[in-house]
Amino acid sequence: AQTVTQSQPEMSVQEAETVTLSCTYDTSESDYYLFWYKQPPSRQMILVIRQEAYKQQNATENRFSVNFQKAAKSFSLKISDSQLGDAAMYFCAYRSANNFNKFYFGSGTKLNVKP
Amino acid sequence: DAGVTQSPTHLIKTRGQQVTLRCSPKSGHDTVSWYQQALGQGPQFIFQYYEEEERQRGNFPDRFSGHQFPNYSSELNVNALLLGDSALYLCASSSTSGRALRTDTQYFGPGTRLTVL
Repeated sequence: AQTVTQSQPEMSVQEAETVTLSCTYDTSESDYYLFWYKQPPSRQMILVIRQEAYKQQNATENRFSVNFQKAAKSFSLKISDSQLGDAAMYFCAYRSANNFNKFYFGSGTKLNVKP
Repeated sequence: DAGVTQSPTHLIKTRGQQVTLRCSPKSGHDTVSWYQQALGQGPQFIFQYYEEEERQRGNFPDRFSGHQFPNYSSELNVNALLLGDSALYLCASSSTSGRALRTDTQYFGPGTRLTVL
């Protein structure tokens, strides 16, 4: 079974600075998707960014970008110009591209943003 | 455009009781998945419904059952509640399409907080 590991339970960043959240995963498949979700204290899970494994180019969404290293099975999230509203739990998730495959989530990283 | 909605927001039950949680998917989505998120942990997959059938199931006992209706909405039922069932229950919807039945990104609802006393 696939596993997703987030080794940083909690991180802090100063407002306006850059922070990188780490994620590694284990899979024998070649076609899959990777995601970063944000869960603020109000609890609704929000999609931050999505990466398709067959695409070599790293995904970018405004201040959020990923560093996808397929061979190393690593998928880190970089948040630039951090804002107070970025404070939340961040979950890395894996999904096979096969039919009806479930998401595998990591245990999450709590990000604190200091003013 | 309404996103994924869930009801109720909070629920308190006692051990041994039964509970039903409800989910309406985002407009245009036909696939619903349910997750259990214990405090301080990542979501754990319970099961997924497409075309009113359970398509995938995680490592949850048969006390957890579900249903999908023709309008794509879904219910999660939990029987014989245990203290350990206390958690946030998340519903996520997505669109399944194509001959390969590939499913795209999931969008989550706000969740139902279940407390079992």
